[in-house]
Amino acid sequence: AQSVTQPDIHITVSEGASLELRCNYSYGATPYLFWYVQSPGQGLQLLLKYFSGDTLVQGIKGFEAEFKRSQSSFNLRKPSVHWSDAAEYFCAVATDTGRRALTFGSGTRLQVQP
Amino acid sequence: EPEVTQTPSHQVTQMGQEVILRCVPISNHLYFYWYRQILGQKVEFLVSFYNNEISEKSEIFDDQFSVERPDGSNFTLKIRSTKLEDSAMYFCASSGPGINEQFFGPGTRLTVL
Repeated sequence: AQSVTQPDIHITVSEGASLELRCNYSYGATPYLFWYVQSPGQGLQLLLKYFSGDTLVQGIKGFEAEFKRSQSSFNLRKPSVHWSDAAEYFCAVATDTGRRALTFGSGTRLQVQP
Repeated sequence: EPEVTQTPSHQVTQMGQEVILRCVPISNHLYFYWYRQILGQKVEFLVSFYNNEISEKSEIFDDQFSVERPDGSNFTLKIRSTKLEDSAMYFCASSGPGINEQFFGPGTRLTVL
């Protein structure tokens, strides 16, 4: 069964600083990879996804992520963080076997300092 | 922009009572899902539904749970006899055909007393 690890439970960055949130997955083949963001009291919003092709994917709100097969990673990045980016970020994986359930990581809570 | 909606936003119930959580998926989507998130924990898959039947379910989705698409627009999750440990945020999601990209609703917070 596939699994997702987000090693950082909580990250604090200053507004305007760059950001990288780590995600590692465990799956034998190429997975479908996603990043979702959850603001307090809100649902899950899709930031970006990787299915195939270019390993650097662009998402909404200025986020990007890079799929690295050799490292089984799909890290999320943003060059300059805004205070409104404070939220919880979830990495998720789906397999290509027809199983459509998403497996989520435990999340990284991002705090942005002024 | 089309979105998934869920009602109610918050449900409080007594242990042992039945609850029904409602969702309206995006209208042209074919696959429907329920997930839950216990406070402070990760989001967990419960069940997926396609073509009027369950296509996959997790170990969490035992006989106390059921899903239904009673009409062309609603998708419901029923918990027959709620337990304290069912307290969680329940998310509905839907996706179209082809590659899996799920759109989530805002969630229903279920509190079992």
